[in-house]
Amino acid sequence: AQRVTQPEKLLSVFKGAPVELKCNYSYSGSPELFWYVQYSRQRLQLLLRHISRESIKGFTADLNKGETSFHLKKPFAQEEDSAMYYCALQGGGYQKVTFGIGTKLQVIP
Amino acid sequence: DVKVTQSSRYLVKRTGEKVFLECVQDMDHENMFWYRQDPGLGLRLIYFSYDVKMKEKGDIPEGYSVSREKKERFSLILESASTNQTSMYLCASRQHNEQFFGPGTRLTVL
Repeated sequence: AQRVTQPEKLLSVFKGAPVELKCNYSYSGSPELFWYVQYSRQRLQLLLRHISRESIKGFTADLNKGETSFHLKKPFAQEEDSAMYYCALQGGGYQKVTFGIGTKLQVIP
Repeated sequence: DVKVTQSSRYLVKRTGEKVFLECVQDMDHENMFWYRQDPGLGLRLIYFSYDVKMKEKGDIPEGYSVSREKKERFSLILESASTNQTSMYLCASRQHNEQFFGPGTRLTVL
């Protein structure tokens, strides 16, 4: 079975402070991992995926297979980063996708 | 731009009614998904379809069924709606491992 754990339902940080949204996963094979974001009154959308190894809107995420983690990081939070963030794992037959419960990031001005 | 549309933004139904939620995508994607989104529970996969007339159960299929007669359309059916099916329902299609989501349907079952 595949599982995604996001331990924090809410994370509040001040503007300019570093951000780290935690994600741990459980999967027996080689998963694909993603971060999706949902801004207020907008659709859920892809933020980044681990195979791309890219930085989007200043966010990065590194897959750590030893710790089975895929934490999302940004060195300096901005108010427009306030949103709901979901970690997702894709794997298995038919490439089923499993989401975590989400972390609400609140950036305080 | 990929467009995923859902038939209703808000829907109110009574217990026991049969409910149809429709989802349409315009980019010829083979894979489509239905999720429900609940506070504190995140997104939970109800059903997905990897091709026309093909479907697979997700993590919480009980009380739901689906239909995929045409590639662009994926329907979620609540055979007999219950109050615990009050939720936000999200449809998505997938291309190159990226999911594209619809705006969601907020269903209230009274």
